[in-house]
Amino acid sequence: NSKVIQTPRYLVKGQGQKAKMRCIPEKGHPVVFWYQQNKNNEFKFLINFQNQEVLQQIDMTEKRFSAECPSNSPCSLEIQSSEAGDSALYLCASSRGGLNYAEQFFGPGTRLTVL
Amino acid sequence: GDSVTQTEGLVTLTEGLPVMLNCTYQTAYSTFLFWYVQHLNEAPKLLLKSSTDNKRTEHQGFHATLHKSSSSFHLQKSSAQLSDSALYYCALNVGDNSKLIWGLGTSLVVNP
Repeated sequence: NSKVIQTPRYLVKGQGQKAKMRCIPEKGHPVVFWYQQNKNNEFKFLINFQNQEVLQQIDMTEKRFSAECPSNSPCSLEIQSSEAGDSALYLCASSRGGLNYAEQFFGPGTRLTVL
Repeated sequence: GDSVTQTEGLVTLTEGLPVMLNCTYQTAYSTFLFWYVQHLNEAPKLLLKSSTDNKRTEHQGFHATLHKSSSSFHLQKSSAQLSDSALYYCALNVGDNSKLIWGLGTSLVVNP
C-alpha cells in the first residue's frame, strides 16, 4: 500500500481565494509528481520534482499555480486565486526514480471544491 | 507525440465473465507500460507494469502482455468479480523520472 500522505483530504474555497495542499512522499522516494484529475476522471500532469528541483512542468495556468518541495518539509501545491474550473482531485505521487523504478505511488488526493 | 488510447469508456459485465480492456500506445521511446486501478474515492493503485516485449505479467488475477509490434498492452482477467468494479487506467512512462502519459480510463462495472 502506498505511503504517500496528502493533506487536507477536502478543501473548499471561494473564487479568488488561495488554496494550498501538501504532500509527504514515501520515504526514500526523491521524485514527486502532481496531477489534477478532473470531474471526467481525466489526468493532467502539473509538475514534478527531484528532491527540490523542478524536472518538468506545464505552463502553470496563467501562473496561478505554484509548487515546491523544500528540504525536510512537505511538498506543496498552491493556487493563488482559485477559479471554479480548478475544482478537481489533486493527486500527489512519488517514485524511487530512474527508469527501472518508473512506477509512481499515489496519495489519496486533495479534493478541491471552488464555490 | 506520446499518447495512450483506451477505446472503451465503459465496460459492463456479468460476474464470472472474462474481462478484456484495451490499451494501445504511441511513443518513439523504449518505455514502461502500466495499468492502474482506481476504486471510488480511493487513490490510483498500480496493478501491472511491463517493459519487456512479449512477456506476460500477472497480479491479483489480472494479466497483460506488452506487444511492441502492435503497441498494445491489453488487460485481461479470466473471471470478473464484483469487487473489480473500478476505473482502470493504462499509462506510459517515456523517460527517467518522467510524467506518466495517461489514457482516458475505462470504467468497469461488474453486475451480479
